[in-house]
Amino acid sequence: AQTVTQSQPEMSVQEAETVTLSCTYDTSESDYYLFWYKQPPSRQMILVIRQEAYKQQNATENRFSVNFQKAAKSFSLKISDSQLGDAAMYFCAYRSAGLAALIFGKGTTLSVSS
Amino acid sequence: DTAVSQTPKYLVTQMGNDKSIKCEQNLGHDTMYWYKQDSKKFLKIMFSYNNKELIINETVPNRFSPKSPDKAHLNLHINSLELGDSAVYFCASSRDRGRTGELFFGEGSRLTVL
Repeated sequence: AQTVTQSQPEMSVQEAETVTLSCTYDTSESDYYLFWYKQPPSRQMILVIRQEAYKQQNATENRFSVNFQKAAKSFSLKISDSQLGDAAMYFCAYRSAGLAALIFGKGTTLSVSS
Repeated sequence: DTAVSQTPKYLVTQMGNDKSIKCEQNLGHDTMYWYKQDSKKFLKIMFSYNNKELIINETVPNRFSPKSPDKAHLNLHINSLELGDSAVYFCASSRDRGRTGELFFGEGSRLTVL
């Protein structure tokens, strides 16, 4: 069975600084997708960034980028120029190409200070 | 227009009662899901339907019964509510069994069982 591990329950960063959230996963499949979702206090689940496993290039969305290491099964999220609005819980998630459901990690709570 | 909408957003009830949560998506997606987020914020898949057909049924008590009258709706009925059922329940949808896209989530329904 696939598993997703986020080893940092909490992280903190100063405004305008950079922070990296870690995620590792376990799978025997070669075709899958990886995601980072953000959940602010409003509890809405918001997609931050997506990575297809067959793509070697790391995904980037504005201030958010990933470091995808397929062999190491690692998928970290880098947030540059952190803003107060980035404070939230961040979930790493995995989806097999053959299975519809997302499997989530336990989340990392990110706090941003001014 | 809200893409995935759930009602009610808050529900407080007594142990032993029966309650339902409704979900509707206007994205034209084929697949819908129910996730449970517990008090530690862990998100776990409960059920998934594709074009009204049940495709994922995780280890969930029989007291939980999903119903999909059409592919735009997925309701969750819970019988004989227990204290441990208190959680936030998220509905989500995706296109083509989720092979090509992320899950779009509703705002969640917070269920409190007293």
